[in-house]
Amino acid sequence: AQKITQTQPGMFVQEKEAVTLDCTYDTSDQSYGLFWYKQPSSGEMIFLIYQGSYDEQNATEGRYSLNFQKARKSANLVISASQLGDSAMYFCAMTGFNKFYFGSGTKLNVKP
Amino acid sequence: EAEVAQSPRYKITEKSQAVAFWCDPISGHATLYWYRQILGQGPELLVQFQDESVVDDSQLPKDRFSAERLKGVDSTLKIQPAELGDSAMYLCASSFTPGTTNNEQFFGPGTRLTVL
Repeated sequence: AQKITQTQPGMFVQEKEAVTLDCTYDTSDQSYGLFWYKQPSSGEMIFLIYQGSYDEQNATEGRYSLNFQKARKSANLVISASQLGDSAMYFCAMTGFNKFYFGSGTKLNVKP
Repeated sequence: EAEVAQSPRYKITEKSQAVAFWCDPISGHATLYWYRQILGQGPELLVQFQDESVVDDSQLPKDRFSAERLKGVDSTLKIQPAELGDSAMYLCASSFTPGTTNNEQFFGPGTRLTVL
């Protein structure tokens, strides 16, 4: 069965520093996708970044990059140059064939 | 920019009452999802539609919850009767490309339900 694990319930980072949010997954599928979403306190889910299991390059979107280590089944999110507006819940998610699974989330607090 | 619409945004009800939530996905999105998210936790899939058909409702408490997407477009999620433990955020999402791994889900703003 597919499973997503986020082991960091909460994290603090100083403004302008980089931070890594951990995500590990378990699947028997050969083809799958990995996503990161941001959820501010207002509640909306905002798509950040996608990595396909066959993609050889790590995905990047502006200040977000996904450190994909397939053999270790990890898909960590790296946020560079943290901003106060990055304070939010962050969810890792995985999709197989038309199924979607979310992790339990990491609450990131950016300190000024 | 196309968005997933949900209403109401907030709902307060008393236990044993009936409540209904509405979702209108992005035009052309065949797959529609309803999630329940308890504060501090990740979203839990309640039901997934492909067009008008249910493809996964294994986590839907069918004794009190029902969902429909009659014309394969907008959808309604109903709870009857509501219980105190149903207090949560109910999120609707849609995606365009079923059958692939790059099926990014687009989320609506959610309905925050409080059961008193």
